[in-house]
Amino acid sequence: TQLLEQSPQFLSIQEGENLTVYCNSSSVFSSLQWYRQEPGEGPVLLVTVVTGGEVKKLKRLTFQFGDARKDSSLHITAAQTGDTGLYLCAGEGRERNYKLTFGKGTLLTVNP
Amino acid sequence: NAGVMQNPRHLVRRRGQEARLRCSPMKGHSHVYWYRQLPEEGLKFMVYLQKENIIDESGMPKERFSAEFPKEGPSILRIQQVVRGDSAAYFCASSSSPQGTYGYTFGSGTRLTVV
Repeated sequence: TQLLEQSPQFLSIQEGENLTVYCNSSSVFSSLQWYRQEPGEGPVLLVTVVTGGEVKKLKRLTFQFGDARKDSSLHITAAQTGDTGLYLCAGEGRERNYKLTFGKGTLLTVNP
Repeated sequence: NAGVMQNPRHLVRRRGQEARLRCSPMKGHSHVYWYRQLPEEGLKFMVYLQKENIIDESGMPKERFSAEFPKEGPSILRIQQVVRGDSAAYFCASSSSPQGTYGYTFGSGTRLTVV
């Protein structure tokens, strides 16, 4: 069974601070996706990383896929209150590649 | 250009009743996936369907749960004789191809409460 561990589980910071959240596994994934979920809504895809060592930037968000494709990180620069939400990572298995394995998420609160 | 539409958004059922959750995929998408999110848990895969076919139902409980995606109309997730433990948010996602590599578009979910 493939598992994804996300850390920290909860993170509360002030506006303007930087932060990094992590997604780790002992399994290799074909790709890793990051989603943000707001209360009462479904997950919204932020990015997909496919190649080991890959780095993708989305404005103030930087995503990295580990060289061994077992882990990923999300770094947010100068956090804003609008970044508040549940950040989920999801791995695409090497077999049954339609089936995503989700972590439990990091609940980020950015305070004004 | 509507996204994935799920209804109802909220559903309250008494123990023993049936719950029917509907999902209309994005236009042009013929692959539908259902996930369940329990409190304090990550999303768990339940079932993958294509039009008129169940491709993988390995994540769905063997009893009381069923899913379909008919030729016409939305995909339906049916839960018979609901119990308190079925209370959760149920999300549907769709894609134009079966590969998960490029991510899925999820609906806003149906929040089922069993009283």
